[in-house]
Amino acid sequence: LAKTTQPISMDSYEGQEVNITCSHNNIATNDYITWYQQFPSQGPRFIIQGYKTKVTNEVASLFIPADRKSSTLSLPRVSLSDTAVYYCLVVGGSQGNLIFGKGTKLSVKP
Amino acid sequence: GAGVSQSPSNKVTEKGKDVELRCDPISGHTALYWYRQSLGQGLEFLIYFQGNSAPDKSGLPSDRFSAERTGGSVSTLTIQRTQQEDSAVYLCASSSGGDRRVQPQHFGDGTRLSIL
Repeated sequence: LAKTTQPISMDSYEGQEVNITCSHNNIATNDYITWYQQFPSQGPRFIIQGYKTKVTNEVASLFIPADRKSSTLSLPRVSLSDTAVYYCLVVGGSQGNLIFGKGTKLSVKP
Repeated sequence: GAGVSQSPSNKVTEKGKDVELRCDPISGHTALYWYRQSLGQGLEFLIYFQGNSAPDKSGLPSDRFSAERTGGSVSTLTIQRTQQEDSAVYLCASSSGGDRRVQPQHFGDGTRLSIL
């Protein structure tokens, strides 16, 4: 069963690039990696997902090395509103893995 | 459009009582998930429904927990004989179905359950 590991917390300043890495050593061949953002008293919100190499959308990039045992969420030029908890999710097909990490609490300071 | 709706938003009950938590998914979404989030912890998967397929119940922590999805829409999570360790936020999510690996989940804001 895949297990994910993330740093508990990270600090950054406005305008900096932030990289959050998630380890998933036992990821299965068919599993995908998805990242979510969660603000206090709200449900998580989808950010980005990928299977391998690099994926980019309007808010973030996701880097996945060839062995897929880790993934890195990259947030360019963070702002105060990016202060939140970020979760990586390893998800397999029906009846497969569905494992959330414990989350990384990102604090962005002015 | 309307997002995932969960009710009640807060529930306080005494140890040993049964509770029912409700989830209204986004209209047209065929997949539905339940998670538990204990204070300061990550999300713990509980159960997954997809259309008429047998649900994935692999995350249910004990036989006191059960869930139903009637008519492929509304879902109810039931916890029988509640214990203090059941205190948590229970989150529901839905997605448009198909391959759950690639379909983003849309979450409600959860039900905060407190067991006295």
